[in-house]
Amino acid sequence: NAGVTQTPKFRVLKTGQSMTLLCAQDMNHEYMYWYRQDPGMGLRLIHYSVGEGTTAKGEVPDGYNVSRLKKQNFLLGLESAAPSQTSVYFCASSSLRENTEAFFGQGTRLTVV
Amino acid sequence: AQSVAQPEDQVNVAEGNPLTVKCTYSVSGNPYLFWYVQYPNRGLQFLLKYITGDNLVKGSYGFEAEFNKSQTSFHLKKPSALVSDSALYFCAVNTGFQKLVFGTGTRLLVSP
Repeated sequence: NAGVTQTPKFRVLKTGQSMTLLCAQDMNHEYMYWYRQDPGMGLRLIHYSVGEGTTAKGEVPDGYNVSRLKKQNFLLGLESAAPSQTSVYFCASSSLRENTEAFFGQGTRLTVV
Repeated sequence: AQSVAQPEDQVNVAEGNPLTVKCTYSVSGNPYLFWYVQYPNRGLQFLLKYITGDNLVKGSYGFEAEFNKSQTSFHLKKPSALVSDSALYFCAVNTGFQKLVFGTGTRLLVSP
């Protein structure tokens, strides 16, 4: 009963490097999301997906790309990491039932030096 | 734009005392409001939500929240705090497709 699983849990990148964060959910949810959490700012939505093969921009999409090739997976990519992308990243998923709660992964702590 | 505000960065309460964590909202149309809790080095966990109906909503771990339309508030409450309730609490509003706009969070510290 894994729920939402994120890999990796920690990562240190050098400025300009690229990486992909993987999110997997086993609840057959249609909706998936990537948020970033920064001190004093709560969580902000980066990108989201309402179904396999579809993605959309959230509040802070610049510098990130996403893909949802399979319903259970949602990938977040950083093509050229910047120190401003140092953050804790959370993936979440939700069913399409209106106003249902979202389920969150345990987070990925990313440091860009 | 839809938003929520949490005016207190931290709330301190003694174990056994009642606690309140404040949240106000600014929403066009019907507000769909949520409370989540985050324990150290963990993801967010759902506590409760207000969609419609009774203004007093009961949730997990003995928490409840009071929806007040005239004051545009959705404060989280618990009659008797536990040390284990110490965590970071987030108020959020659903802006469609279960996309959440979060407040900045309130750290609750319950002392023994």
